[in-house]
Amino acid sequence: IVLTQSPATLSLSPGERATLSCRASQSVSSYLAWYQQKPGQAPRLLIYDASNRATGIPARFSGSGSGTDFTLTISGLEPEDFAVYYCLQRSDWPLTFGGGTKVEIK
Amino acid sequence: EVQLVESGGGLVKPGESLRLSCAASGFTFSSYSMNWVRQAPGKGLEWVSSITTGSTYIFYADSVKGRFTISRDNAKNSLSLQMNSLRAEDTAVYYCARDGGNSRLGLFDYWGQGTLVTVSS
Repeated sequence: IVLTQSPATLSLSPGERATLSCRASQSVSSYLAWYQQKPGQAPRLLIYDASNRATGIPARFSGSGSGTDFTLTISGLEPEDFAVYYCLQRSDWPLTFGGGTKVEIK
Repeated sequence: EVQLVESGGGLVKPGESLRLSCAASGFTFSSYSMNWVRQAPGKGLEWVSSITTGSTYIFYADSVKGRFTISRDNAKNSLSLQMNSLRAEDTAVYYCARDGGNSRLGLFDYWGQGTLVTVSS
């Protein structure tokens, strides 16, 4: 299953709303997760099963979608949110990641 | 506190072998499936391999199948990745990740900080 993330880069200012997309080449039901990765750090789980926030993740992060189209929304960007975001499907083997979306400061 | 600490990375030549280890603490290791994920320099994430709690089920990415072997020692709270016939394209940071998916694998809820493997002549 190929996951296509868009856009590749998102240039926004702190406080703005970020909308990231992940599209699957075939249905993954709701078995999609979102990860955040900052330079030099390991990825961190944000959202699992499309819309469930992981432990300790702020409410400004939300996920939606099912089937083939998914969205990660950050309702108001904080300085620490500028990072790369990846989606991951666990509907079928092999597990696959999207190519990532970089959220950068405008 | 969940901790995963990888070790064993380094510089090797093409065709050589390397064994990575991941020491787990802060949770009941034997109750969780485990995974390896890698990231080539400046690139995205790639799932490598998964192993269930009792090593009953093991999965590999096609890119490493037949060359890499995942294993675990529940008595020592340790996960390993034996990498043989290494290629330049295996150069990456290798992460150990706990699987929080109870009935379906692939929910990487905790990650180590990674260990760098460089394959170069």
